[in-house]
Order: sequence, then C-alpha cells, then structure tokens
Amino acid sequence: AQSVTQLDSQVPVFEEAPVELRCNYSSSVSVYLFWYVQYPNQGLQLLLKYLSGSTLVKGINGFEAEFNKSQTSFHLRKPSVHISDTAEYFCAVSAQGAQKLVFGQGTRLTINP
Amino acid sequence: EADIYQTPRYLVIGTGKKITLECSQTMGHDKMYWYQQDPGMELHLIHYSYGVNSTEKGDLSSESTVSRIRTEHFPLTLESARPSHTSQYLCASSEWWVPSPLHFGNGTRLTVT
Repeated sequence: AQSVTQLDSQVPVFEEAPVELRCNYSSSVSVYLFWYVQYPNQGLQLLLKYLSGSTLVKGINGFEAEFNKSQTSFHLRKPSVHISDTAEYFCAVSAQGAQKLVFGQGTRLTINP
Repeated sequence: EADIYQTPRYLVIGTGKKITLECSQTMGHDKMYWYQQDPGMELHLIHYSYGVNSTEKGDLSSESTVSRIRTEHFPLTLESARPSHTSQYLCASSEWWVPSPLHFGNGTRLTVT
C-alpha cells in the first residue's frame, strides 16, 4: 500500500519569498506523484504531476516539484510567492496500475504582505 | 469555471434526517468519486464508480450510499444523519483511472446538529 506524509501542516511566508512544501511517500512499487491545490472555498485542482522521465516537473502558476527516488520525496517549490498562492496544497501518490490516489494531510500556505 | 457541480454548497441538518448530496458533471467522464475531507486530515475516498450501474466502496468505511443511474450524475445519500457525519464531501471525476487528473467540485459542507 502507498502512503503520503506532508511534513508541514502550515507554512507562513512573506510575499515574494521562496517556498518549499515537503512531501514524502512510501511504496514498494513504482509510483505516480501529484500535487493538487485547493483555494479557499473551492475544490482541488491539479498543480502538476510526475509520471516518468525528467525528475523536475513544472506546473501551473510557476510551481515546480522534484522527484527524488532515493529519498522518496516529491517537494513542491516556487521561487517567489504571491498573495494569490494562499491555499491548501495536497500531495498525492498512486501505484502505477492502481485505480486510486492516496492523499496527504495537506499543507496550508499563508502569504503575508 | 467548474465542469463538475455539487449542491448544496452548505447544509445544516438535524440528527436522523435523510439527506442527498448532489453531484453532476458535464464532461462525459466514466469515473466518478466521493471524498470526505476533515480539517488537517487527508482526503479519504469513500465511494467510486466505473460507470453507469457500477459503484464501489472506497478506502474509508462510510454509512453513506451512492448510485450511478446516469453517466453525469453521482448522488450520495445518508439515510439517517448523525453528528459524526459532519464533514466536507468532495465529488470528483476523471476521464480514465490514474494518472488521468481528477476534476473536483467545490464541495458540500455538511453539519449535523
């Protein structure tokens, strides 16, 4: 079975500062990895995904994530955040060939002016 | 804009009442899902559907039931609401299984008093 741990429940940063949201996963088989974002009072939407190939994945709104197989991590980064990035971010994993996603607990990103 | 719609957006109801949470999508997706989301917790899959007349229970045991009579419609029903059912319920759909992205509705926040 797969599991996901998001290491920080809340991350406060100042506007225009860089940010990293951490995600570790466990799986005995090859996986697909995802980051979803949930803006206030909305559903989740896909930010980016890693399926195979290049370990650096670029997503929407200037976010990127790096797959590190040896450390079983898939951390999300943005070099300069904006107030509009305030949201909850969910990391998710699925075994290749599986039908379902397993989500982490979420990280609440708060941007201070 | 959302192609998957959930109603009601908020529902406050007394113990013992029967409720139905509506979910409709206009994308023609065969796969549909219900997730339960509590603050600071991971999303838990409670039901999913392969297509019309097929439904399965998810990873988290739930007293709710679902039906899939039409491709676009996937309602969730609680026969007798209890305070323990208080939560946010998110409906999602996808074109295929993972890694096809999930499209989420804005959710229904249910409070049982």
